[in-house]
Amino acid sequence: AQSVTQPDIHITVSEGASLELRCNYSYGATPYLFWYVQSPGQGLQLLLKYFSGDTLVQGIKGFEAEFKRSQSSFNLRKPSVHWSDAAEYFCAVGVGAGGTSYGKLTFGQGTILTVHP
Amino acid sequence: GAGVSQTPSNKVTEKGKYVELRCDPISGHTALYWYRQSLGQGPEFLIYFQGTGAADDSGLPNDRFFAVRPEGSVSTLKIQRTERGDSAVYLCASSHPGWGTGGNEQFFGPGTRLTVL
Repeated sequence: AQSVTQPDIHITVSEGASLELRCNYSYGATPYLFWYVQSPGQGLQLLLKYFSGDTLVQGIKGFEAEFKRSQSSFNLRKPSVHWSDAAEYFCAVGVGAGGTSYGKLTFGQGTILTVHP
Repeated sequence: GAGVSQTPSNKVTEKGKYVELRCDPISGHTALYWYRQSLGQGPEFLIYFQGTGAADDSGLPNDRFFAVRPEGSVSTLKIQRTERGDSAVYLCASSHPGWGTGGNEQFFGPGTRLTVL
């Protein structure tokens, strides 16, 4: 079965600093990988996704993520964090085509990002 | 266009009572997912509908949980004999089916916060 690990439960950065949120996955086939953001009282919003091709994917709000198959990782990065980026971030792996429930997402525990002014 | 909507936004009930949670997906989305998010955790898959049928209900925790989607649009998650451990945010998501050539994004609703006293 697939699984996702986000090693950092809580990260604090200063506004303007760079950010990297870690994500490691376990899945027996080609993974479909996602990063979602959840602000208090808001629904989950997709930041970016990886399906195939270029291993560096660009998302919304200036975020990017790099898929590294050898490390089973899909870390999220942003060069300069804004106060509005404070939220909870979830990495997820999707079951690929051929499975009985393709499309199903397995999420990590989440990383809470605090941004100091 | 409207996104995924869920009603009620909050539900407080007493232990042992029956509750129904409703999800209105985005028009035209044939795939519908229910997830449960407990405090401090990432969302956990409950059930996946493709059209009217439940393609995968492996995430339902026990037989007190049941979901329907009779006309392939609106879905209702039903919980019988509620327990305090059922307290969580119940999320619904919809998408076009499968991954396709570029994948299909799951759009999440704001969730229903269920509190069982």
